[in-house]
Amino acid sequence: EIVLTQSPATLSLSPGDEATLSCRASQSVGSNYLAWYQQKPGQAPRLVVYGTSRGATGIPDRFSGSGSETDFSLTISRLEPEDFAVYYCQVFGASLWTFGQGTKVEIK
Amino acid sequence: QVQLVQSGTEVKKPGGSVKVSCKASGYTFTTYYVHYVRQAPGQGLEWMGMINTYNGATNYSPNFKGRIAMTRDTSTSTVYMDLSGLTSEDTAVFYCAREPPGATKGFDYWGQGTLVTVSS
Repeated sequence: EIVLTQSPATLSLSPGDEATLSCRASQSVGSNYLAWYQQKPGQAPRLVVYGTSRGATGIPDRFSGSGSETDFSLTISRLEPEDFAVYYCQVFGASLWTFGQGTKVEIK
Repeated sequence: QVQLVQSGTEVKKPGGSVKVSCKASGYTFTTYYVHYVRQAPGQGLEWMGMINTYNGATNYSPNFKGRIAMTRDTSTSTVYMDLSGLTSEDTAVFYCAREPPGATKGFDYWGQGTLVTVSS
C-alpha cells in the first residue's frame, strides 16, 4: 500500500498569498493517478486536480498541480477567501486508493 | 445534472450492521465506478472500496475486508454499502463518489454523506 505524507499539516496565510502544499508518496506513483481534493467544514470533498496537473471542471486557474514519481504539489497562486479549507492528496496504486492526512489552509 | 443522493442518518449498536445507499442520476450509471469513503469526526478521508457498476465486480480496502459488501441495482441506479461488525470507530460520515472512465484518475462527484453513529 502506498503511503502519502502531506506537509505542512497547517498553512497560515493571508488572502492574496501563494500557497504551496506538498504530498510525498512512499513509492513511485504514475502521474495519471494523483489527485487533490478540497474540503470545507460540513461539506463533501471536491475534486480540484486530477492526473497530477489537470484542473477539474469549474476549478479556477489559480489552482495548479505538479510533480512526478514520489513528490507532488498543489499551488494556489492568489488565495481567495473561499480557498481556505482542508486539502487532501490521493493516489491509486496496486489496485488500492489512498488519501494523505490533509493540509489545512487557514487565514492568518 | 449529475447527482449522488445518499440515504439518511443512522444510529446503530456495536456489533450491528448498517446499509448505506447512493442513488445516481444525470449520467449513464454503468459507465462509472462508484466508491465509498469514510471520514471519522475531525479526521481525514479513508477509502473503503469500489464497485464496477457495469459487471458488479468489487475491490475492497484490506482495512475493511471481511465486513464490507458493495452491491448495485442497475434498474434504480443505486449502489449499496453494507458494513458489519460495527464498533465505535465506525462512527463517521460515509461518502459515495464516482470515478470517471479513463486513464487519469479522480473522484469527480460526491454524495452529500451519510452520518452513522455507533453507540450502545
